[in-house]
Amino acid sequence: DTGVSQNPRHKITKRGQNVTFRCDPISEHNRLYWYRQTLGQGPEFLTYFQNEAQLEKSRLLSDRFSAERPKGSFSTLEIQRTEQGDSAMYLCASSLEHDEKLFFGSGTQLSVL
Amino acid sequence: RKEVEQDPGPFNVPEGATVAFNCTYSNSASQSFFWYRQDCRKEPKLLMSVYSSGNEDGRFTAQLNRASQYISLLIRDSKLSDSATYLCVVGQNTGFQKLVFGTGTRLLVSP
Repeated sequence: DTGVSQNPRHKITKRGQNVTFRCDPISEHNRLYWYRQTLGQGPEFLTYFQNEAQLEKSRLLSDRFSAERPKGSFSTLEIQRTEQGDSAMYLCASSLEHDEKLFFGSGTQLSVL
Repeated sequence: RKEVEQDPGPFNVPEGATVAFNCTYSNSASQSFFWYRQDCRKEPKLLMSVYSSGNEDGRFTAQLNRASQYISLLIRDSKLSDSATYLCVVGQNTGFQKLVFGTGTRLLVSP
């Protein structure tokens, strides 16, 4: 499968726990994006990487959220001290530089109890 | 006011019907425009890009009116498989392609 891969597909956690999600973009794509989608809403931009550099972060990304892309390939999104309001689908997307088309992964559905 | 506004629906139509969705956007500096399709509990997938000259892909026609900041999608001869949420998306190229999504319009096509 040469698409964007995200793991895990589902994560259930208790409030206050830390969680980490992984995204493997399409191999030749140097741009990687994280979005969050809650029920009944469209995806909202969280952060963007070009290669290993995190170049943009939304104000939605509080101090409890951190994203990395250490070697410019896969990326991780960590949420510390999860809150019930963090429950959402976390979507990763990738693209080629200067390409307007983003390809999304299947997402990680987070449920915070 | 949301940056991209859409009627959430649902739009309930019979097979074979023609249905139109509209959306408006507030940022006049927006540079690219798209319709994405999202099936229940799945990721969004690009349906088509939208240009001022209008573009057509089979049964789907998209149109952009920059002056009115208005985007439309027309689906002709609806199929059961067209049932999905259609997301109006605006791209703001601020050094990278930042996509701003509408809430989506839900379409239900019935036999």
